[in-house]
Amino acid sequence: GQQLNQSPQSMFIQEGEDVSMNCTSSSIFNTWLWYKQDPGEGPVLLIALYKAGELTSNGRLTAQFGITRKDSFLNISASIPSDVGIYFCAGPNAGGTSYGKLTFGQGTILTVHP
Amino acid sequence: DAGVTQSPTHLIKTRGQQVTLRCSPISGHKSVSWYQQVLGQGPQFIFQYYEKEERGRGNFPDRFSARQFPNYSSELNVNALLLGDSALYLCASSPTRGGPNTGELFFGEGSRLTVL
Repeated sequence: GQQLNQSPQSMFIQEGEDVSMNCTSSSIFNTWLWYKQDPGEGPVLLIALYKAGELTSNGRLTAQFGITRKDSFLNISASIPSDVGIYFCAGPNAGGTSYGKLTFGQGTILTVHP
Repeated sequence: DAGVTQSPTHLIKTRGQQVTLRCSPISGHKSVSWYQQVLGQGPQFIFQYYEKEERGRGNFPDRFSARQFPNYSSELNVNALLLGDSALYLCASSPTRGGPNTGELFFGEGSRLTVL
């Protein structure tokens, strides 16, 4: 089945620093989604990407849909303590009928030191 | 507007028991999906229901079953619980929209199941 590989697995940064993380796949995805999960809660959608090469921003977050359709990147600028959490990339399963069927990466754990 | 709601939030069961988890989607959403998230991993797809029919099933044993009701709420049932079933069970709903290749899901806070 499809697999998504996220890197790095964890990051420890100082408040105010910029953060970059990425997600790669051996197969093509037509949609890339980035979620954040806080402890004890469900994932929350941050950014959705639908077109190869697309660059989308949401506040301090910027994500890009790789031109090969096999990767995506998420950047966080000027990190703050509330950015702490686990960041997941996700994409719809092969077949395209993607209502509810997402493959998730293993997550990048972000820790921000004040 | 209310988001996806799940119940119970936490529960403890023993091996061999059965459990039922409940989910109410966002108003107007007709699709409900269930995911299992083991500690330290990303969510794993279990089921997807749309318009009360099972549309997708992940690689889980037959001990796992689900259904969707006319009001689009859903239940996930797990029989003959094993220690390895301990996990956060997430329900997600999505809006009705045309065409494939769209996968935005809105998750509830999950039900934390501990099997002893």
